[in-house]
Amino acid sequence: DAGVTQSPTHLIKTRGQHVTLRCSPISGHKSVSWYQQVLGQGPQFIFQYYEKEERGRGNFPDRFSARQFPNYSSELNVNALLLGDSALYLCASSLDGRQNQPQHFGDGTRLSIL
Amino acid sequence: DAKTTQPPSMDCAEGRAANLPCNHSTISGNEYVYWYRQIHSQGPQYIIHGLKNNETNEMASLIITEDRKSSTLILPHATLRDTAVYYCIVRAPSGGTSYGKLTFGQGTILTVHP
Repeated sequence: DAGVTQSPTHLIKTRGQHVTLRCSPISGHKSVSWYQQVLGQGPQFIFQYYEKEERGRGNFPDRFSARQFPNYSSELNVNALLLGDSALYLCASSLDGRQNQPQHFGDGTRLSIL
Repeated sequence: DAKTTQPPSMDCAEGRAANLPCNHSTISGNEYVYWYRQIHSQGPQYIIHGLKNNETNEMASLIITEDRKSSTLILPHATLRDTAVYYCIVRAPSGGTSYGKLTFGQGTILTVHP
């Protein structure tokens, strides 16, 4: 069975641009979460979506937004890119997002801002 | 979410058991203990989770003390491929803006030697 897939794997942007990252969850999983991992640190929670609704939000500016589609795939959008947005962006899926359901991660999109 | 404390690094000989400790002295009764690991350039990999009882799966065993203030992840026969950063996470019940949130710390860098 396919795991969580993310696209693209690598991306280079310049300051001020916007970016859209995509995630396809494991088949049957209805919840998707997004994390940002800066080099040398653990992943930081950005959003969680379940049944197309935002259910959780981390401490990130409004430049970050996301949505979930009827097929449970998801997009993360970042506007007005800053150098500090350079990071590995990780998507994780779970059955329903509840506490006792493990989240399974993709290998991420590495975003570099020049 | 309850904070966790892990040693920054540990070594283990190939073929021996690796025992990774985690302190979570402020854990609440309804919070789960999760373990993930991350191999360089990959997304975090789910290992195991538990609430009160000890748990075992094909990858590892999780031993939670009776007072739940600490836990140990056991890899019974470590291999070179187990070299990774191991994260111990205490996960709060789903609710509010923390729905689905995993809070990663710095983790333990486990190095398995031949």
